[in-house]
Amino acid sequence: QLQLRESGPGLVKPSETLSLTCSVSGGSISSSRYYWGWVRQPPGKGLEWIGSIYYSGHTDNNPSLESRVSMSVDTSHNQFSLRLSPVTAADTAVYYCARLGTADFDPWGQGILVTVSS
Amino acid sequence: QSALTQPASVSGSPGQSITISCTGTNYDVGGYNYVSWYQQYPGKAPKLMIYEISHRPSGISNRFSGSKSGNTASLTISGLQAEDEGDYYCSSYTSSGIRWMFGGGTRLTVL
Repeated sequence: QLQLRESGPGLVKPSETLSLTCSVSGGSISSSRYYWGWVRQPPGKGLEWIGSIYYSGHTDNNPSLESRVSMSVDTSHNQFSLRLSPVTAADTAVYYCARLGTADFDPWGQGILVTVSS
Repeated sequence: QSALTQPASVSGSPGQSITISCTGTNYDVGGYNYVSWYQQYPGKAPKLMIYEISHRPSGISNRFSGSKSGNTASLTISGLQAEDEGDYYCSSYTSSGIRWMFGGGTRLTVL
């Protein structure tokens, strides 16, 4: 059974860099069938797609975040990563990683709350 | 870019049926059969309930069904149960810049 798990700091200072990693188990990140994505959810609000990455390294990003987002994939460790910089309080959210199929996100990681505060 | 439009809340009694709508444009919901629905409990990750308009993943109850008409997709839950209470989000592929959009979410209350 495929499982994803986010990891990284839960607190980031304003103007610094948010860095998260998603570790994939129970399946290969190198599958040609899927992209791997990041979605975030500010407290009490809805879901926002951040971006997606293919095992080859090809990425798609949300234009509203594109200038601040970078993603990478590490096939040797079956994981992919997100960097968002610089961050502000508006970036405080639960960040989820998920597998992106033809048109759906499934499964999802448990999520990690990242708070941007000094 | 605006999110897909969902009602903020819906409610129903056990055993009843409810429908949640998700309205977009010709560039997303209306233009592609790439609408999915997610259930989210408080403090938990979203869970895929419906993909590609009307398909249920393995393990999802047949009480959940999806459909689309024009620029509006719908999720119907029949035989409402207490465990169905939670937030529901739709998502669609879009050709208008941002690739994946979500609805604002609908809070389902089982009375």
